[in-house]
Amino acid sequence: RKEVEQDPGPFNVPEGATVAFNCTYSNSASQSFFWYRQDCRKEPKLLMSVYSSGNEDGRFTAQLNRASQYISLLIRDSKLSDSATYLCAAKNAGGTSYGKLTFGQGTILTVHP
Amino acid sequence: EPEVTQTPSHQVTQMGQEVILRCVPISNHLYFYWYRQILGQKVEFLVSFYNNEISEKSEIFDDQFSVERPDGSNFTLKIRSTKLEDSAMYFCASILTVGYEQYFGPGTRLTVT
Repeated sequence: RKEVEQDPGPFNVPEGATVAFNCTYSNSASQSFFWYRQDCRKEPKLLMSVYSSGNEDGRFTAQLNRASQYISLLIRDSKLSDSATYLCAAKNAGGTSYGKLTFGQGTILTVHP
Repeated sequence: EPEVTQTPSHQVTQMGQEVILRCVPISNHLYFYWYRQILGQKVEFLVSFYNNEISEKSEIFDDQFSVERPDGSNFTLKIRSTKLEDSAMYFCASILTVGYEQYFGPGTRLTVT
C-alpha cells in the first residue's frame, strides 16, 4: 500500500465552485501533514499545514482525522488561478526521521470559466 | 523574503557522465534535502543532510549519488555516472529545524540522453 495516497483526478470545475480533495496515509508514525500546490514543471509551494483541529486560510480549509488517517483540503469559490496540482505530504517526527516529506501523487485541478 | 536557489535550471548530459546540481539553501537553515520528480510521477525523497553528514537516505540514493556542503552555503548533489532513468526534476529544500515547514528551490531539470 502506498504510504500517502491521493485521488489523481483530474477535477474539472467551474469558477466559483467548491471542490474537496482527499488524502490517506498508511504510516501511523506520521505526525505532521501539509498541502502543497505545484504548477506545471515548478517546485511544490507550501499551501498550508494541517492540524488536528482543522485550519482555514481564506478560501482554503484543511482537516486531519488521525483515527481514519485521512486529510482533506476544501477550496471554496474556486478561481481560475487555483488550477494546479495539489500535493498531500506527510512527515514523521522524532526517532531516526530528520523531517523527510512523503508525498502523494497529487490531484490535478482545472478551474474553467 | 529569503528563498532557496538552484543552478542550473536545466542540465543536459550524456549517459555515463557526472553531473553536479547546486543549491543555496536559506542562510540560517540547518537541515537540507534533495528530492526528485520524474515527469508525471510523484515527488520522491532522496536524502537529508544535517550537521555535515547524511542523516537519512532513500533506496533511490545509491552509490552513484553523493551530497556535499563544501563551503557553508552551497549544497550539492552529485550523480557519478548518469543513467537515462536519472532524467527528472531535482528539488532542493531546507528548513530551520525539523518542526518547521520545508521550502523548495525552483528545481533543476536533468535530461540524460
